Amino acid sequence: KAGVTQTPRYLIKTRGQQVTLSCSPISGHRSVSWYQQTPGQGLQFLFEYFSETQRNKGNFPGRFSGRQFSNSRSEMNVSTLELGDSALYLCASGRGSGTGELFFGEGSRLTVL
Amino acid sequence: AQSVTQLGSHVSVSEGALVLLRCNYSSSVPPYLFWYVQYPNQGLQLLLKYTSAATLVKGINGFEAEFKKSETSFHLTKPSAHMSDAAEYFCAVSEARTGNQFYFGTGTSLTVIP
Repeated sequence: KAGVTQTPRYLIKTRGQQVTLSCSPISGHRSVSWYQQTPGQGLQFLFEYFSETQRNKGNFPGRFSGRQFSNSRSEMNVSTLELGDSALYLCASGRGSGTGELFFGEGSRLTVL
Repeated sequence: AQSVTQLGSHVSVSEGALVLLRCNYSSSVPPYLFWYVQYPNQGLQLLLKYTSAATLVKGINGFEAEFKKSETSFHLTKPSAHMSDAAEYFCAVSEARTGNQFYFGTGTSLTVIP
């Protein structure tokens, strides 16, 4: 059974640019969550999508957005990149209930110069 | 609101010694609790989870955790540390009513000394 796949694994951008990250969940999982991981802030919840609808949202500015497609694949977009956006962005898939575990991808490491 | 506190951002143990990683949570409803492990340049891997069944939960790689409601704790233990246990460990809490929104602790980096 394939795991959660995130692309790209590494990318470098400059301030002001935008970036799109992709996540393919485990087959059959309808929930996709995104987290930002930094050394200073730890793991911070960005948003969760379930059946193409955003179900939960963390405290991030509107520059951070996401969407989910009918096949459950998800993308997140960050516009007008800032230096502080440099982080490991983790995607996690799940069945959709808080009682179940999340399965994480290996992450997309974004560096903003 | 839910939150998770992991006491000790860095823990060092000798190989073969007991591993104890502390986690305390706050939640207004019965929580679901998880421990994840992260190796360098990798995502998070589930070690174990508590979802209101047995209070002593056994996970992978010899780890276990005990849910203590009176202490709002969910500490992770392993009787004998191996070198391969060196990693970052995260405690997390979720509530069914919030879907899949997990709240993570700040993590504990475990070093195993040979």
